[in-house]
Amino acid sequence: TQLLEQSPQFLSIQEGENLTVYCNSSSVFSSLQWYRQEPGEGPVLLVTVVTGGEVKKLKRLTFQFGDARKDSSLHITAAQPGDTGLYLCAGKETSGSRLTFGEGTQLTVNP
Amino acid sequence: DVKVTQSSRYLVKRTGEKVFLECVQDMDHENMFWYRQDPGLGLRLIYFSYDVKMKEKGDIPEGYSVSREKKERFSLILESASTNQTSMYLCATRAPGLWEQYFGPGTRLTVT
Repeated sequence: TQLLEQSPQFLSIQEGENLTVYCNSSSVFSSLQWYRQEPGEGPVLLVTVVTGGEVKKLKRLTFQFGDARKDSSLHITAAQPGDTGLYLCAGKETSGSRLTFGEGTQLTVNP
Repeated sequence: DVKVTQSSRYLVKRTGEKVFLECVQDMDHENMFWYRQDPGLGLRLIYFSYDVKMKEKGDIPEGYSVSREKKERFSLILESASTNQTSMYLCATRAPGLWEQYFGPGTRLTVT
């Protein structure tokens, strides 16, 4: 059982559509990050959220941390082919000493 | 910007060979990590190091060892490669007091 469950696992959409990716857990996290990984490359950090209810925006990407700090979402507006990649969430439990990664959401944006 | 480099992008080895994967970072970070990434299993932590000559086992250390002789370099060693070690290997580093990790480009290892 994964500590961090991401959904959906796969998402294929057309350019211009909106989408939301979810990262859920029964554990409380002191911080949570989102990464994007392109084929053949390592993950690249997009954002870190630390406060319950926090919302951060990065151009067309909106990240939200749940009020209870157990879940997070990533919303992309007007997706573009350049958004294609594997999106990973990763969290540090309040009682833990390591970063735990979700399995990822593979996003494909078709032109 | 943090730069993490890995010695090879692609590697093909035979079963039973000893394999060295090298990782170098240029940001003077104490913490360094080795993960493997497999479809459907996500990133799994193999070993990490929080200082020179210090190492800790991660979740799947069996069949692997590590070496950290210098702060900037963290090596992953497969003592006797097996086909089930075919995977993408990712090195990462982390600044003290923060949890964000910075990854290298990865090494795709195939063991035949």
